[in-house]
Amino acid sequence: DGGITQSPKYLFRKEGQNVTLSCEQNLNHDAMYWYRQDPGQGLRLIYYSQIVNDFQKGDIAEGYSVSREKKESFPLTVTSAQKNPTAFYLCASRTGTNTEAFFGQGTRLTVV
Amino acid sequence: AQSVTQPDIHITVSEGASLELRCNYSYGATPYLFWYVQSPGQGLQLLLKYFSGDTLVQGIKGFEAEFKRSQSSFNLRKPSVHWSDAAEYFCAGPDMMFSGGYNKLIFGAGTRLAVHP
Repeated sequence: DGGITQSPKYLFRKEGQNVTLSCEQNLNHDAMYWYRQDPGQGLRLIYYSQIVNDFQKGDIAEGYSVSREKKESFPLTVTSAQKNPTAFYLCASRTGTNTEAFFGQGTRLTVV
Repeated sequence: AQSVTQPDIHITVSEGASLELRCNYSYGATPYLFWYVQSPGQGLQLLLKYFSGDTLVQGIKGFEAEFKRSQSSFNLRKPSVHWSDAAEYFCAGPDMMFSGGYNKLIFGAGTRLAVHP
């Protein structure tokens, strides 16, 4: 079945460590997105990519990095520079600019 | 300022009552707009979408939304709410605050719906 897979579902890390969240899609979508969700703040865009080897910063890119080496994959690294990394992270993809996005089930990151 | 805003953070309705969740947008051109629903700890599911044409769009689970250019709104409605509709609802669209914003999909802050028996 086609879809978006985020792994792991829960992730725990110590403060100061970098951590990479996985996002894989087999929908043949060109565009992929990473969002951060905190209670009461909705979804805030971290990074997005329209094509392979290209990506743009969203509204809260500081402390995060991404790569898009393959169409199917858009991993997000939460670096030690991110001051408050504990949150729920959602990955999404879509075929083009005016189509709906499909979401993964999310990764809950807790930094202790 | 955001292109897409949801003015209501929490709404509580009784089961069987009608529902309207507000979404406002600030675009010059006709936008594309979406409504999504999220259950706790889950991803988002698309309820409905508007691109052009008929201003009243039908979605899944008995939801509908009406695009009103004169009011810059895309409100979500349901005539009779079920207890299973309790969730968080998000309006989404492009970020038209900068050039190239059509590629950038942004969301409102969400409206949390509670349903009383």
